[in-house]
Amino acid sequence: EPEVTQTPSHQVTQMGQEVILRCVPISNHLYFYWYRQILGQKVEFLVSFYNNEISEKSEIFDDQFSVERPDGSNFTLKIRSTKLEDSAMYFCASSDTGVGNEKLFFGSGTQLSVL
Amino acid sequence: RKEVEQDPGPFNVPEGATVAFNCTYSNSASQSFFWYRQDCRKEPKLLMSVYSSGNEDGRFTAQLNRASQYISLLIRDSKLSDSATYLCVVNRNSGAGSYQLTFGKGTKLSVIP
Repeated sequence: EPEVTQTPSHQVTQMGQEVILRCVPISNHLYFYWYRQILGQKVEFLVSFYNNEISEKSEIFDDQFSVERPDGSNFTLKIRSTKLEDSAMYFCASSDTGVGNEKLFFGSGTQLSVL
Repeated sequence: RKEVEQDPGPFNVPEGATVAFNCTYSNSASQSFFWYRQDCRKEPKLLMSVYSSGNEDGRFTAQLNRASQYISLLIRDSKLSDSATYLCVVNRNSGAGSYQLTFGKGTKLSVIP
């Protein structure tokens, strides 16, 4: 089965530092997403991205966050100035048509720890 | 009221048991419904979509009641490998490219030998 790949698997950073989380979605997919899960909490939607622009974003996705598709394969999430509360597992996901009951493919996640 | 609400468990059941999970959702405009499975510190993986007529996949049966805004998952003949957290997931699907899944917090299942 095709896979969404995320790097790194773990990222440790100091509060106030910038981090970039990287994802390679499935090659023929057109819709890309970031979700996060704070330890012990539910998975939460951050942002969806299609046709090189943000489709939707949640309240969590404030000005400190940005997404980019810098080339034909990568999809990145940047946090400009990390806070302690940004510590979480960040999941990238992709889908083909972005509608209905279509399966969403998740990557294995990047565990971000902000110290 | 939480958008998607589940009994957190844990459910501890012996191998071979039948176990049922329930879920309620608050947004009546929700379009698509799913059960995902999540192993400890791993990504969510789609277990099955849930259709209005109910659907079955091997030992797993899912039901949807739109009037009551209620979703269920039944696992028959539990296996040790079924031990995981089961996530009830709803998609508001407000438009193309808006696969904005809303997750419940999950119900933890432990199948005991």
